[in-house]
Amino acid sequence: SSELTQPPSVSVSPGQTARITCSGDALPKKYASWFQQKPGQAPVLIIYKDTERPSGIPERFSGSTSGTTVTLTISGAQAEDEADYHCQSADSSGTYVVFGGGTKLTVL
Amino acid sequence: QVQLLQSGAEVKKPGASVKVSCKASGYTFTNFYIHWVRQAPGQGLEWLGIFNPSGGGSTSYAQRFQGRVTMAGVTSTTTVYMELTGLTSEDTALYYCARGADNSVWDLLIDSWGQGTLVTVSS
Repeated sequence: SSELTQPPSVSVSPGQTARITCSGDALPKKYASWFQQKPGQAPVLIIYKDTERPSGIPERFSGSTSGTTVTLTISGAQAEDEADYHCQSADSSGTYVVFGGGTKLTVL
Repeated sequence: QVQLLQSGAEVKKPGASVKVSCKASGYTFTNFYIHWVRQAPGQGLEWLGIFNPSGGGSTSYAQRFQGRVTMAGVTSTTTVYMELTGLTSEDTALYYCARGADNSVWDLLIDSWGQGTLVTVSS
């Protein structure tokens, strides 16, 4: 299968931990990335290779993987973290890029 | 730092074609893949394909766009182009170019993104 499934929305209170999941049959064998997208802006890479964080990305963002699900965790969510989050990986053959449908994170 | 500067917004009629450019700077152009991704209004991200600026400029396109999309590049100007033909209203979207992984190995990682080009298809 080449589909990635994300919840449409997640809500979290400021300072609490937010978890956004992304499920797909190929995820046990393919790396996943996460992108943050704020309104009117291009996506920004925040996690790659399931758990790696690019330089400049705050430590409160972390990634984990278990079976067919990868999870983005935001520890101590801040108002500025309110955004859409997209997971990305490859299809089972490793030929094509696939994206999840995106998750809108609300911090309130 | 990596910069991808895209061409301006386009308005096209159904059935027409559009060509979007993406000028890369801040890194060695021939060493990294370039992806094209689009986002319809209020929707998620959709991958169109990948272009390798090295060697013969190989490409791989998403199945649903094969036959309608062409990606090419000019090394001397560090610019990549994406052309989409047979436009319909469903092609109205923000089109992004994005830098991919080091092309010494096959890897579908995406990192830096251009600012996006709005393509509107309307009669």
